[in-house]
Amino acid sequence: AQSVSQHNHHVILSEAASLELGCNYSYGGTVNLFWYVQYPGQHLQLLLKYFSGDPLVKGIKGFEAEFIKSKFSFNLRKPSVQWSDTAEYFCAVSGGADGLTFGKGTHLIIQP
Amino acid sequence: KAGVTQTPRYLIKTRGQQVTLSCSPISGHRSVSWYQQTPGQGLQFLFEYFSETQRNKGNFPGRFSGRQFSNSRSEMNVSTLELGDSALYLCASSLDTEGFGYTFGSGTRLTVV
Repeated sequence: AQSVSQHNHHVILSEAASLELGCNYSYGGTVNLFWYVQYPGQHLQLLLKYFSGDPLVKGIKGFEAEFIKSKFSFNLRKPSVQWSDTAEYFCAVSGGADGLTFGKGTHLIIQP
Repeated sequence: KAGVTQTPRYLIKTRGQQVTLSCSPISGHRSVSWYQQTPGQGLQFLFEYFSETQRNKGNFPGRFSGRQFSNSRSEMNVSTLELGDSALYLCASSLDTEGFGYTFGSGTRLTVV
């Protein structure tokens, strides 16, 4: 079975700081990787996804993620965060018979 | 285009009752999957349907079931409700089972009392 581990459950940053959220997965086969965001009171939205090709993928709102196969990692980054980035961030993987497997999520708070 | 629509938005049921939740996917999407979101367990996969066939199933008891209709709309049913079934139930649709990006609905908040 596949599993996803997100390193930080809560992260607090100041505006303009750089962001990196860690995500590691375990699955022996080919995987598709995703980052979703859930803003307060809103539904899950796709930030970015990796299926194949360039391991550095760019998503919406200035986010990017790098797939490092040897480390089973798919970390999310943003060079300069804004107050509006306050949200819950979920890393997810698909590839087996378990549908999308999500990490526990990281609650990000950006202080103005 | 319209997003994924889930009805109802909120539901309160009594222990032992059964409940049916509905999901209308984005037009043209043939894959519908269901997830349970709780504070303690996070997001957990329930099952996935593609062209009216259940393709994958998560680790939930048989009280949780679903189906998909020819128009790709899906329903999930929970029988003999337990207090622990209180959760946000999310539906996601995709063009196919590999998920070229799943689009999620706003969910149905189920409270079992």
